[in-house]
Formats: sequence, structure tokens, C-alpha cells
Amino acid sequence: KAGVTQTPRYLIKTRGQQVTLSCSPISGHRSVSWYQQTPGQGLQFLFEYFSETQRNKGNFPGRFSGRQFSNSRSEMNVSTLELGDSALYLCASSFTGQGLGNTIYFGEGSWLTVV
Amino acid sequence: TQLLEQSPQFLSIQEGENLTVYCNSSSVFSSLQWYRQEPGEGPVLLVTVVTGGEVKKLKRLTFQFGDARKDSSLHITAAQTGDTGLYLCAGDEGGGNKLTFGTGTQLKVEL
Repeated sequence: KAGVTQTPRYLIKTRGQQVTLSCSPISGHRSVSWYQQTPGQGLQFLFEYFSETQRNKGNFPGRFSGRQFSNSRSEMNVSTLELGDSALYLCASSFTGQGLGNTIYFGEGSWLTVV
Repeated sequence: TQLLEQSPQFLSIQEGENLTVYCNSSSVFSSLQWYRQEPGEGPVLLVTVVTGGEVKKLKRLTFQFGDARKDSSLHITAAQTGDTGLYLCAGDEGGGNKLTFGTGTQLKVEL
């Protein structure tokens, strides 16, 4: 079955602009979470959506937002981009997002460069 | 905020050598996962350990969860060049897919 698909794979934006990243989870998966990966901070949790509702949120400013659609596809948006937002943004999906048998699958990520 | 410290941060070894990567925290996790990430790709789950003292083996990889469920180790026997990658531990706090990732160990195995 197809894996987690993220688009776009690479993008360059200017400071002050906004960006929207898209994630299509594995078919049947209802939980989608987003992570930011940078050399300095490593992998950090942004937020998680389950059945169109935000279930968990990390410690990121309000410029970072997300949503999930009825087909479980998810988008995340970053407004007023800063240089420090340059990172690999990873989307992960799982069937339920809870329970010991819950396996999380990551996409290949979207590389964002802010100039 | 729960933190997971991994050591060593970098490791460069010759093929055939053994190695151990450590993942330590002051907090208790309901489970701990190990991932490997290769350049340009997302992390791939290797194993999940749940019970304190648990040991799991995956071919040449041996994973152990500490008795108090605060720390874990990954041991690779007879490393191969294909083991090269970034190894990440991640703690599950027990609520949804909110994982706390470790600082990572970059492993390079050379011929």
C-alpha cells in the first residue's frame, strides 16, 4: 500500500511569507501528526489530528497551525515565516494514534528553506 | 518538558565492530521506540519496547528497555555499511502520537 505522501518535497520562501504543506496519510489511517526537524533542535512535535480534531499540540507559536479534512488528509500552515523556520517538516500517520500496537509511519518530509 | 539524551552523538566505526547507543531520560515513558533515518527520508520504526527490563532482538540489533522505563539501549553486533544512518529513540507519553525524540546518534560504518 502507498506510504505517507508529503507535498511539496522542496520549497524556498521569503521571510514574512506564509507556506502550506500537505500530507496524505496511509489509506485507513485516521491519526496524522506533524514534526519539525532541524540540526539544532532535532525532531520536535508540532501537533496531531484525529478525525478532524486537534488532539495534541506541541510548544510552537501560533504561527504554526494545521487542519485535517474528512478524508484524513492534513495540511499545516506557517505564517509570517522566519529564518529559523527553515527545517524538514515531517508528517506521520497511524491507524488510531493510541495503544501499544500503534505503529507510526513517517513520510519523506517537506524541506522548507526561508531566505 | 521531557528530554531524551542520546550518546554518543556521533560514531564512526569499521565494518564488523560492535557498538552500543544509549538513550537516557529522567522521566518515565509508557513505551520507547527506536527509529533509523537515512538522508532525505523520514524515520523508519525499528522496534517498540514497553515493559521495564524488556529485551528485543532484530537480527543483529538488540534493544533493551531499562527496568525503570527511563532509559534504553541499542546494541549492534558486527556492524555493516548498511547500518549507516541516524538512530533516534522516541518516548511515548501515552497520549496519541506525541513522541518525544532523542537527540540522535549519527552512525557511520566504513569498510
